[in-house]
Amino acid sequence: DAGVTQSPTHLIKTRGQHVTLRCSPISGHKSVSWYQQVLGQGPQFIFQYYEKEERGRGNFPDRFSARQFPNYSSELNVNALLLGDSALYLCASSLEGKGTGELFFGEGSRLTVL
Amino acid sequence: GNSVTQMEGPVTLSEEAFLTINCTYTATGYPSLFWYVQYPGEGLQLLLKATKADDKGSNKGFEATYRKETTSFHLEKGSVQVSDSAVYFCALQGTGGFKTIFGAGTRLFVKA
Repeated sequence: DAGVTQSPTHLIKTRGQHVTLRCSPISGHKSVSWYQQVLGQGPQFIFQYYEKEERGRGNFPDRFSARQFPNYSSELNVNALLLGDSALYLCASSLEGKGTGELFFGEGSRLTVL
Repeated sequence: GNSVTQMEGPVTLSEEAFLTINCTYTATGYPSLFWYVQYPGEGLQLLLKATKADDKGSNKGFEATYRKETTSFHLEKGSVQVSDSAVYFCALQGTGGFKTIFGAGTRLFVKA
């Protein structure tokens, strides 16, 4: 079975632009979470979606938004990009939405903002 | 709020050396604890976990014991290999919670 897939793998944007990152979870997984990993740091929680509803949001500005589709895939959108948004964006899927234990991660989308 | 603190790296060891990476946590209730590993060029993957006090998680020769009295979950391996070179992240998930909180990561280099 395919693991978590993310696209694009790398992208370069300029300040003020908008970006959309995409994630397909493992088949059968209903929960998708998004994390931001800045170089040299651990992943920071951005959002979790379960059954197409937002279940949790981390300490990120409103420029960050996400949604989950009926097939459980997900998009992360970031508006008005800042230099500090440069990071590896990780998507993780899990079977359920709460107290589920293991997260299965994709390889990430590396965003560079110039 | 919940948090995880792990020892700073990098940690450099010779092959067959003993490894300890310290991890302590702050949390209310009874969180689940995890170690994730990120090998070069690969995504994060679960190494081991423990869901209640005194549980020992183990995998690939690595072990960690959930110590509630010391709020710790230290990672150990008796004999490291070059292939263990990676970044290791300690993490916790709060009781009934929806998010996993990660430490900053510890990079391990193992020399032949």
